[in-house]
Amino acid sequence: QSVLTQPPSVSAAPGQKVTISCSGSSSNIGNNYVSWYQKLPGTAPKLLIYKDNQRPSGIPDRFSGSKSGTSATLGITGLQTGDEADYYCGTWDSRLSGFNWVFGGGTKVTVL
Amino acid sequence: EVQLVESGGGLVQPGGSLRLSCAASGFAFSNFEMNWVRQAPGKGLEWVSYIPHSGDTIYYADSVKGRFTISRDNAKNSLYLQIDSLRAEDTALYYCAREFDDGFDIWGQGTVVTVSS
Repeated sequence: QSVLTQPPSVSAAPGQKVTISCSGSSSNIGNNYVSWYQKLPGTAPKLLIYKDNQRPSGIPDRFSGSKSGTSATLGITGLQTGDEADYYCGTWDSRLSGFNWVFGGGTKVTVL
Repeated sequence: EVQLVESGGGLVQPGGSLRLSCAASGFAFSNFEMNWVRQAPGKGLEWVSYIPHSGDTIYYADSVKGRFTISRDNAKNSLYLQIDSLRAEDTALYYCAREFDDGFDIWGQGTVVTVSS
């Protein structure tokens, strides 16, 4: 079971909006930046959002990130068939023994 | 072009060892923290290990601690992962990833490790 909790799946029609939640705790999301990744089958993960809400160059503004307390959210507007993929949140988790990076369990986005 | 290329994967028997490599190009490798991430068949992403620029403060996932060793050679623009005492559950696609601004911004294409007798 992942330290960060994501819904297993979300779906919407083309052109609509989906949001993916990522729930954690004060040892991870509450005190560290969150990033989001898109994973298409057979390809390497792609960074979509870093530092909670920043988009790397080349990532369309259809993708957005936000954070409140110990939860973060990825939003995708204007859904396209090419957005069908698995999406993962990630952040550092602070522990007595040091730091571990943690990923959420992943959310499969289906375009209906 | 900024690029990471992994190599060294393969089929190995339980209890065996492998050394994975990640060759970096197109950027100042010595300036960046690096990580290894894996994905087992049908599973999600799992972080494996982290190494800073200087290679001093290293972190490992609990699932690999004591069996995996991360290292880097900044003169050769290379990252390594020595994996020992391999188990079936270590079967996965292993990625190296560059860390920047608390995100993993550059990823290699991965190298496959299969542990089977």
